[in-house]
Amino acid sequence: GENVEQHPSTLSVQEGDSAVIKCTYSDSASNYFPWYKQELGKRPQLIIDIRSNVGEKKDQRIAVTLNKTAKHFSLHITETQPEDSAVYFCAAQAPGGFKTIFGAGTRLFVKA
Amino acid sequence: GAVVSQHPSRVICKSGTSVKIECRSLDFQATTMFWYRQFPKQSLMLMATSNEGSKATYEQGVEKDKFLINHASLTLSTLTVTSAHPEDSSFYICSASSGGAAETQYFGPGTRLLVL
Repeated sequence: GENVEQHPSTLSVQEGDSAVIKCTYSDSASNYFPWYKQELGKRPQLIIDIRSNVGEKKDQRIAVTLNKTAKHFSLHITETQPEDSAVYFCAAQAPGGFKTIFGAGTRLFVKA
Repeated sequence: GAVVSQHPSRVICKSGTSVKIECRSLDFQATTMFWYRQFPKQSLMLMATSNEGSKATYEQGVEKDKFLINHASLTLSTLTVTSAHPEDSSFYICSASSGGAAETQYFGPGTRLLVL
């Protein structure tokens, strides 16, 4: 089955700096890669997603890249703000059953 | 956007009792719902996939007789933790998808279960 690895587990940056979180997946059939932000005690919120027919997608300060050959995808947050502090999860979804497998999460701290 | 509700938000029960958690899609029909379990500071672990009108598909290591899932309608799925024990204490989150080629999942707010 699918296995998603996520790094780093913790990331601390200064306000205004960029943050990069990287994930790898194992199932070459996976074709949908969402990223979720989860604040303490709350539900995960979708922040951006990318499908396998696209290499890069950007939404304001957030961008995601996908390398299908290497089975890598990354989240880039620019001009980080304290409110970006949260746990971020990458995920991979295979076609058919829509089962989504999550990475272990990255705890992002943005220091003011 | 799509809204998923979950009830109750928090429950405390005695060991040996059963607890039912409801997951509802409020503004769309959810052909598929998922149940996750999340321990503190850990990731979301998929427990089972629930399809309306059919039996749930459980992940390896999840006891189907322990975690009963019913998806009776396109807007409601329930998870019943039977004979709960302290080790079942966790954050349970559902998500719902309306189906399609590659479909976004929308998460409920979660239920925090504490078994004494």
